[in-house]
Amino acid sequence: GQQLNQSPQSMFIQEGEDVSMNCTSSSIFNTWLWYKQDPGEGPVLLIALYKAGELTSNGRLTAQFGITRKDSFLNISASIPSDVGIYFCAGLNPNSGYALNFGKGTSLLVTP
Amino acid sequence: DTAVSQTPKYLVTQMGNDKSIKCEQNLGHDTMYWYKQDSKKFLKIMFSYNNKELIINETVPNRFSPKSPDKAHLNLHINSLELGDSAVYFCASSQGQGFWGYTFGSGTRLTVV
Repeated sequence: GQQLNQSPQSMFIQEGEDVSMNCTSSSIFNTWLWYKQDPGEGPVLLIALYKAGELTSNGRLTAQFGITRKDSFLNISASIPSDVGIYFCAGLNPNSGYALNFGKGTSLLVTP
Repeated sequence: DTAVSQTPKYLVTQMGNDKSIKCEQNLGHDTMYWYKQDSKKFLKIMFSYNNKELIINETVPNRFSPKSPDKAHLNLHINSLELGDSAVYFCASSQGQGFWGYTFGSGTRLTVV
C-alpha cells in the first residue's frame, strides 16, 4: 500500500488548547478521511474530504484537503478530555483498488 | 442494531491451534475487509471482498483464509497460530470502494500464548 506519513506521533495537551495534526503522502489521493479510535473500539469516521482545497468542519473539528492532493490536516479547537484517543488519516485512490491506506496515527492525551 | 459486529471480542489460544473470527454487517454494503492492527497501532489491510469476490489479498501468510458466504458476512480462519499473530483484527465494510468511508467493527483482540 501507499505510505502515509502522519505527525506528530503523539500530543499531550491541556484542556482548552487547540490541536493540529497532518498527513502527507508520496502519492495523490482522491479522498482523504480522518478517523478517531477510542480504546477497545474500532476507528470511527470523523471527516471525509473529496476535493483539493476543500475545507470541512464537524463541530470543533476542521480538516482540509491539500491543494497538491498529497496532504491533509486536522485541527481540533478548544480540546476537551473526551478528545483523547488515536487519530488516523487515511487516503483512497481508485487506482489502488479497494484498500484504504492509513497513517500511523496521532495519539492525543488531554489533561483537565 | 450494531452496524458491523465481530465475534469474539477476545480470543486467547495456544500456538498451533486453529481459530476463526466472524464478522457480519447490516448496512447493506457490498464490500468487506479485514485489517490487522499491531502493537504500534498501525492498521494494515489484509483482505478485501466485493460482492463475495476476493479483491485484495495482501502479503498475508496462507495460514489466513477469509471466507465470504454472502455480502453481509466475512469470516477469517487462521491455521497453526503463531506468537506473531497476536494483534487486534478489525472487520470493516463499505459501499463500493469506500469513498464515503469504511465502517469498522469493534475489533477482536487475539492473543497467542
